[in-house]
Amino acid sequence: GENVEQHPSTLSVQEGDSAVIKCTYSDSASNYFPWYKQELGKGPQLIIDIRSNVGEKKDQRIAVTLNKTAKHFSLHITETQPEDSAVYFCAASSGGSTLGRLYFGRGTQLTVWP
Amino acid sequence: DADVTQTPRNRITKTGKRIMLECSQTKGHDRMYWYRQDPGLGLRLIYYSFDVKDINKGEISDGYSVSRQAQAKFSLSLESAIPNQTALYFCATSVSGGNYGYTFGSGTRLTVV
Repeated sequence: GENVEQHPSTLSVQEGDSAVIKCTYSDSASNYFPWYKQELGKGPQLIIDIRSNVGEKKDQRIAVTLNKTAKHFSLHITETQPEDSAVYFCAASSGGSTLGRLYFGRGTQLTVWP
Repeated sequence: DADVTQTPRNRITKTGKRIMLECSQTKGHDRMYWYRQDPGLGLRLIYYSFDVKDINKGEISDGYSVSRQAQAKFSLSLESAIPNQTALYFCATSVSGGNYGYTFGSGTRLTVV
């Protein structure tokens, strides 16, 4: 099956700085890459996703980039704020018999210091 | 009301007891999933169901069983709970027909003593 690796496991940044979280995947057939944010005491929430026919996608302060050749994708958060502090998960999904099943990275604990 | 509701939110049980975690959804999604979250290990798939008659094992199904009672309901059972099943459990749903994001519930924190 798919294997998704996520780095770093923890990330601390000063408010206003940028944060970047990187993920790699193993299955070249993967074609959907969502990112989730999990706040303390809550379930993960989808914040942005990208499909394999697109190289970059932005939504206000967050953006995701995808490099299919290298099989890696990244989450970029600009002008970080304390409320961005959370655990972030990347995921990948492929086709075939596992269509619709997401494979998750281990998560990144982001802390934004005021 | 939440789109995906998990009950109970917190549960403490004793080793050897049978326990059921319940999940119901109002999203109208065909696909439902049970994940387990442990610190440093991320989200690991226990079981998933693509429709009412379809049940599949995930990465860590040993010691667990599931029941898909209806499109909207998917229960996870621990037949004989053990301490290393102490974790945060999440139910999730998604639409069918392709690759789409999940909607997660708020989780059940289970402690086995």
